Amino acid sequence: KAGVTQTPRYLIKTRGQQVTLSCSPISGHRSVSWYQQTPGQGLQFLFEYFSETQRNKGNFPGRFSGRQFSNSRSEMNVSTLELGDSALYLCASSSRRQGRDTQYFGPGTRLTVL
Amino acid sequence: DAKTTQPPSMDCAEGRAANLPCNHSTISGNEYVYWYRQIHSQGPQYIIHGLKNNETNEMASLIITEDRKSSTLILPHATLRDTAVYYCIVRVLTNTGNQFYFGTGTSLTVIP
Repeated sequence: KAGVTQTPRYLIKTRGQQVTLSCSPISGHRSVSWYQQTPGQGLQFLFEYFSETQRNKGNFPGRFSGRQFSNSRSEMNVSTLELGDSALYLCASSSRRQGRDTQYFGPGTRLTVL
Repeated sequence: DAKTTQPPSMDCAEGRAANLPCNHSTISGNEYVYWYRQIHSQGPQYIIHGLKNNETNEMASLIITEDRKSSTLILPHATLRDTAVYYCIVRVLTNTGNQFYFGTGTSLTVIP
């Protein structure tokens, strides 16, 4: 089975721009979660989507948003980029079946904001 | 809001067992303990998880104390490729989904 894929792998943007990151979950997985990882804050939960609905949201400003499509693929969007948004953005998918909620992570998208 | 506490770093000799401790004193009855590791800014890799009982798989063993306030991940025969940051995580179940709380992790260095 193919793993979680994320595109693009690397991205450079400037302050004020917006960015869209994409995540394709493992086939059959319907839950997708997004995380931000920075050296100072570590891995922080952004949001979780299941069946096209946002189920949980972390403590991030409204500039961070996401969506999930009917094929379970997910995108996250960051508007009005700030320098502090430079981070590794990780996507994880899980099956969300009883006892099988293990999250499997993709390789991440490295976003640099200049 | 991390729910786990881990030592920031540890060393282990190659071929020896690596025992990585984790405190999760505020864990609730239905919250699982998960372990992941991350090598060089790649995506975290799942290792093992458990609720109450000790667990073992091909990668590691997980020992959870009876009061569930702490656990230990054991890598039975550490190799150089086990050098990574190891995260002990509590998975919190909500009404609508689940959320993983990552702590700061333990940086394990396996020494030749």
